[in-house]
Amino acid sequence: AQSVAQPEDQVNVAEGNPLTVKCTYSVSGNPYLFWYVQYPNRGLQFLLKYITGDNLVKGSYGFEAEFNKSQTSFHLKKPSALVSDSALYFCASGRIGNQFYFGTGTSLTVIP
Amino acid sequence: DTAVSQTPKYLVTQMGNDKSIKCEQNLGHDTMYWYKQDSKKFLKIMFSYNNKELIINETVPNRFSPKSPDKAHLNLHINSLELGDSAVYFCASSQVSGGGEQYFGPGTRLTVT
Repeated sequence: AQSVAQPEDQVNVAEGNPLTVKCTYSVSGNPYLFWYVQYPNRGLQFLLKYITGDNLVKGSYGFEAEFNKSQTSFHLKKPSALVSDSALYFCASGRIGNQFYFGTGTSLTVIP
Repeated sequence: DTAVSQTPKYLVTQMGNDKSIKCEQNLGHDTMYWYKQDSKKFLKIMFSYNNKELIINETVPNRFSPKSPDKAHLNLHINSLELGDSAVYFCASSQVSGGGEQYFGPGTRLTVT
């Protein structure tokens, strides 16, 4: 079965420290991988995606993600966390013409 | 301009009623989706339409029926509402089914009493 997994329900990080939100995938072939952010009472917002090419993908708000094929991971990272980064983060995968799979979400709290 | 809009934003109704949620996108995308987000924030795809044709129909009760009058609109009609239908419903659209980033509406919070 194809899926994505987010092993951490909650991540806490101090403001100014680097943050990592983990995602692993189990998708046959070459997946398209995505990160979305959801602020309270809002819809999901697209942050970044990996389709092919450079394993390090840069996205909105200073976020980046690294595609690691050997570890089947696509972790979201940011060098210096802001309090305003506190939100719910979803990893997702898909392939053209196929279903889109979302992870279970990771709640990020940045502590001032 | 709002890219993906949903109406209403809040919907409170009683068990057994029938209700509809409307969704419109002005992005020119070919594919539209309906998702259900439960109280634990899990996101579950319900339906996907591509150019007005149903391409994904997950295991949802047949009380839920999507309707796409044109590729810019995907409405969700729910018959005989049950307590367990209470959730936030999100509409989304993408240019390409499965492979493109999705743009989400603001959500409709449905409360069934």
